[in-house]
Amino acid sequence: DTEVTQTPKHLVMGMTNKKSLKCEQHMGHRAMYWYKQKAKKPPELMFVYSYEKLSINESVPSRFSPECPNSSLLNLHLHALQPEDSALYLCASSQPYKGSNTGELFFGEGSRLTVL
Amino acid sequence: DAKTTQPTSMDCAEGRAANLPCNHSTISGNEYVYWYRQIHSQGPQYIIHGLKNNETNEMASLIITEDRKSSTLILPHATLRDTAVYYCIVRVAGGNEKLTFGTGTRLTIIP
Repeated sequence: DTEVTQTPKHLVMGMTNKKSLKCEQHMGHRAMYWYKQKAKKPPELMFVYSYEKLSINESVPSRFSPECPNSSLLNLHLHALQPEDSALYLCASSQPYKGSNTGELFFGEGSRLTVL
Repeated sequence: DAKTTQPTSMDCAEGRAANLPCNHSTISGNEYVYWYRQIHSQGPQYIIHGLKNNETNEMASLIITEDRKSSTLILPHATLRDTAVYYCIVRVAGGNEKLTFGTGTRLTIIP
């Protein structure tokens, strides 16, 4: 199983709503990532978890709150978002990048978020 | 991580080899060159990576110049399914998990 599963595929929310994006993998990977991608732009790294601990936060606003409850799951909690936060949110996983492993990231298909 | 420069877009005829260049003139000795691609409406997909030797797998070949300042990704027999944005990324070996995408090359395969 080389899949990263993201739910929901589409989400529409108001600026006062609280919602969550979910990501799951069963490849035994111990690093998990959130990226944000606006239309016609490259993915931008938001957060990285390594061994269930937050290792990288790319100065993301606090209205985005990541959570890694176990090694297979990654959540992104959303609260008080702005319309400019509308984007495709991509989850990825990999083995921790060290030693001789390729560091290959496996990406999900993304959750397309629209903030009204 | 070193910055990369890629052409914004390229076309290639179906069945021909697609050669995608990448410039990484500030690359350090311990930095790998990675290639990913993103087909429309999908997440990025790993293609190949290398340090200084040429590499080949079932998807593509990676040719890295001797001075390591540039590389070329080769798709030997391009198909319509290879239409995608191709990202060349330089990444420190054994560094942290950060993988930073540049602007990439939009490759269009022409029937």
